[in-house]
Amino acid sequence: DGGITQSPKYLFRKEGQNVTLSCEQNLNHDAMYWYRQDPGQGLRLIYYSQIVNDFQKGDIAEGYSVSREKKESFPLTVTSAQKNPTAFYLCASSIVEAGNEKLFFGSGTQLSVL
Amino acid sequence: GEDVEQSLFLSVREGDSSVINCTYTDSSSTYLYWYKQEPGAGLQLLTYIFSNMDMKQDQRLTVLLNKKDKHLSLRIADTQTGDSAIYFCAEDTGRRALTFGSGTRLQVQP
Repeated sequence: DGGITQSPKYLFRKEGQNVTLSCEQNLNHDAMYWYRQDPGQGLRLIYYSQIVNDFQKGDIAEGYSVSREKKESFPLTVTSAQKNPTAFYLCASSIVEAGNEKLFFGSGTQLSVL
Repeated sequence: GEDVEQSLFLSVREGDSSVINCTYTDSSSTYLYWYKQEPGAGLQLLTYIFSNMDMKQDQRLTVLLNKKDKHLSLRIADTQTGDSAIYFCAEDTGRRALTFGSGTRLQVQP
């Protein structure tokens, strides 16, 4: 069954702690993305990666870090520098067909601060 | 800047039509999309329209695009309770990643 898997579903962070959100895809897509969703604010782009070993900052990268060592994996670390981390985090991968980019999303991780 | 705007909330009765509106700002957008998000889940692609089209129909869904006004709408015919969700429009400007609107929460009353 092909798709994108995010884990864990729920995550709690203590003050000063770094936490890592997992995102794995078996769709063989080159591009992967991390979005943050806050109520009533839609999706904001944190980081994206168009190819293995390369990634770029999105609109709200401060306090976050990523890596892309393998095509199928794009983990997101929420560092202690992110002062307001409580949000729903969505990972996506994409494929371009005839100029049309289609995103496939994982089921999300809800991060809360203890 | 890149701002895609949507109204936050829409309530309709079961069986009625729903119309969700979106305004985008980048006239160079090539494709425009509608995604659906059910509670606690990721987004699913519903439909999309190429910028040189003004209408696309897909079963109960009709997408209208007015390029002059940069206005996109999604009409859901015969709305069902299972259609209750948040609907996002998104534009592809050809730069880095899709830009999403803030989402419209559709509530369907039985």
